[in-house]
Amino acid sequence: QKEVEQDPGPLSVPEGAIVSLNCTYSNSAFQYFMWYRQYSRKGPELLMYTYSSGNKEDGRFTAQVDKSSKYISLFIRDSQPSDSATYLCAMSADFNKFYFGSGTKLNVKP
Amino acid sequence: DADVTQTPRNRITKTGKRIMLECSQTKGHDRMYWYRQDPGLGLRLIYYSFDVKDINKGEISDGYSVSRQAQAKFSLSLESAIPNQTALYFCATNEPGGYGYTFGSGTRLTVV
Repeated sequence: QKEVEQDPGPLSVPEGAIVSLNCTYSNSAFQYFMWYRQYSRKGPELLMYTYSSGNKEDGRFTAQVDKSSKYISLFIRDSQPSDSATYLCAMSADFNKFYFGSGTKLNVKP
Repeated sequence: DADVTQTPRNRITKTGKRIMLECSQTKGHDRMYWYRQDPGLGLRLIYYSFDVKDINKGEISDGYSVSRQAQAKFSLSLESAIPNQTALYFCATNEPGGYGYTFGSGTRLTVV
């Protein structure tokens, strides 16, 4: 069983839609959670990070962690064509080793 | 200049050839990493280095070797390339206790 599972998509939505991206994990020791955005032919860029359970909001983006369910989410409000990218979740127990999901490809249609 | 620079950006090589991928960073971090990315498999750790004298194998190190020439430079070598090493390779760096990596733009390697 993989440490982190993520639906690869692709996910196609119209501009302005609310997007929900999700990951599940198996290791209850994970307490640091991150979302990366990766544009085509580029390296991943850190988008958001959270510690333990709860929500964190940054502009149109909200990261949510439910440790009891071992489930994390990234919500994108008012999605834009420029949000079209692959989104990877990542997590760690201690910052020494990070585990990545396989990424969800998002396409926002104008 | 980019914080993490990888060369080359693209490379096609033949089976059995030795190839080196290079990475340099200007972040001043001690920690550096090499990952490969394959469709459906995500990012997998090949090697990592927490400082110049500390090099560790990741989950898929077989067939690869690394050299940490300086704090800023970390090279990945494929001793004898094989087709299933065709992938996108990323170098990354972070600071201890830091949430995120800074990644390079990647090297697309094709082994024919």
